[in-house]
Parts: sequence; C-alpha cells; structure tokens
Amino acid sequence: AQKVTQAQTEISVVEKEDVTLDCVYETRDTTYYLFWYKQPPSGELVFLIRRNSFDEQNEISGRYSWNFQKSTSSFNFTITASQVVDSAVYFCALSAYNTDKLIFGTGTRLQVFP
Amino acid sequence: EAQVTQNPRYLITVTGKKLTVTCSQNMNHEYMSWYRQDPGLGLRQIYYSMNVEVTDKGDVPEGYKVSRKEKRNFPLILESPSPNQTSLYFCASTTLTGTYGYTFGSGTRLTVV
Repeated sequence: AQKVTQAQTEISVVEKEDVTLDCVYETRDTTYYLFWYKQPPSGELVFLIRRNSFDEQNEISGRYSWNFQKSTSSFNFTITASQVVDSAVYFCALSAYNTDKLIFGTGTRLQVFP
Repeated sequence: EAQVTQNPRYLITVTGKKLTVTCSQNMNHEYMSWYRQDPGLGLRQIYYSMNVEVTDKGDVPEGYKVSRKEKRNFPLILESPSPNQTSLYFCASTTLTGTYGYTFGSGTRLTVV
C-alpha cells in the first residue's frame, strides 16, 4: 500500500528563520513520483515540485530546496529565510508510475510571524 | 490560459437537495479526478476518470456520482447531500501517467446543513 506521512501538523517560525517540512512515504513500486503542493489561505493548490524516483539529486529553487533520500524514504522541503508569504499548508504527495492517483499526506500548516 | 475551472466556489445547501459541482479543463487531459479535503485527513480521492465514458471509484466514493460525457467536463453530483459531505472539494486533471502532476481547480467549499 502507498502512504505519505507528514508528522508535523503545525510549525510556527519567525520571519527569516529556516524551516524544514518533513515527508516520509511508503511504496513498493520502484518507479514513482513525489510532489509538493502549497495551499495558501486563499485555498487553491499550487504545484511546487515533482521528483521521480530515479532522480535523487537535491533541487533548489530560490529560497526553496528539496532533499530526496530513497534510503530513508523521505522527501523533505526546506524554506530558507522564511517570509510571511510562506504561511500556508504544505502537502506532500506520491503517485506510482502506472497510476495517475495522487496519495496525499495530511499536510503541515506553516505559520511565519513577522 | 491552461486551467481547471470549478463552479461554484462556495455553496451552502440543505440536506437532501441534489446538487452538481461542475469541473471543466481546457488542456485536453485524459485523466480527471475529484478530491475532498478535510482537516487532519489531507486530500482523498472520490472518483476519477481516465477518459470519456470511463469512470471509477476512488477511496471515498459513497454518496457521490460522476459522469464523463465529454473530455473536458467532469461534474460531481451529490444526489442527496448530508452534513458529513461538508468539505472542500477539488477537481484536478492531468495527462495519462500523471508524471507532470495535476492541475487543480480553485476548489469548492460546500456546506450541507
């Protein structure tokens, strides 16, 4: 069975702090895809990143970075120098190669205070 | 602009009154899906469709119906809504294989009283 666990329900930081959101996944598939989505207070889901299971390179996009480690089945997301606009719920998700179904974690609510 | 359009954004209804939430995409995607989002549970799949006239149940299909008569449209039907269907609903679409991730609609916040 496939499963995504986001153990951190809520995180609060002060602006300019670095913060890491954890994501641990379970799958028996050898080929799969991992995603992160952001849900700001307005409610829409914003795609942040897709990573396939054969690409363990870390990725950096501005203040955002992702650390994919197959050995620990983790796909963690770090925001450097957080800003108030980063306040949102962040979802990690998984899909197997031969299915189009996205399995979501329960989300982590990040609050960044000025 | 490539997008998934859901309507309405907000809906308050009474128990038992049939309603339809519409979903339309302009990307010629084969795969469309409905999710509901509830606090502490994340997003869970209700129904999905891999192409016209092909639909199947997701993880929480009870109380919902869907249809896929045209490739671009995938309405969600609640024949007899109940308060436990109060939720935030998302429609999404992607190409088959889904490797590029879903495009999500803006969401429909449904309250059943």
